[in-house]
Amino acid sequence: NAGVTQTPKFRVLKTGQSMTLLCAQDMNHEYMYWYRQDPGMGLRLIHYSVGEGTTAKGEVPDGYNVSRLKKQNFLLGLESAAPSQTSVYFCASTTGNYQETQYFGPGTRLLVL
Amino acid sequence: EDQVTQSPEALRLQEGESSSLNCSYTVSGLRGLFWYRQDPGKGPEFLFTLYSAGEEKEKERLKATLTKKESFLHITAPKPEDSATYLCAVLGLRFQKLVFGTGTRLLVSP
Repeated sequence: NAGVTQTPKFRVLKTGQSMTLLCAQDMNHEYMYWYRQDPGMGLRLIHYSVGEGTTAKGEVPDGYNVSRLKKQNFLLGLESAAPSQTSVYFCASTTGNYQETQYFGPGTRLLVL
Repeated sequence: EDQVTQSPEALRLQEGESSSLNCSYTVSGLRGLFWYRQDPGKGPEFLFTLYSAGEEKEKERLKATLTKKESFLHITAPKPEDSATYLCAVLGLRFQKLVFGTGTRLLVSP
């Protein structure tokens, strides 16, 4: 049982390049989330999904897109990376029940030059 | 809008020196208050969930308490391995998302 995994662990992009971050969970969780963490700002929600085939915007969705084609996977895409997207990205998942405890992945460090 | 404020931003303790971390919150009806531990370069690790004022939970040297306006994470006789950033988050009735504080960086020296 690996929990929540993220790929890649670290990536360097040039401005304007695109990439996809992959999140996978093996806990059969319904809800999945993408956050970014920046110094002094805490974790901020980018997008989330309440089930396979559904997505919704979070607090800071601009410049990102997501897809949830399979229940266990949640993809975060950057179509045209900007330096402001330099951050650490975390994926999380939860059962979707009332208790809502979220379990986090190890993170992806992204540097946009 | 739901908000979370954590204090202090950083705390340095000697091994064995007990202290408390504070999490003040405003929320439109509390569904849950969460404490996480985050080590450098890693994702947040779940510690506790508290649901109603007066509730307390313990795990090893950590004890979390909750009132209607704030939560405390009490650390009793800390050890160097307790050094980490401790994050607080709330889930309100209006929004289906966690709102995080910026965390307290704890350093415990031997």
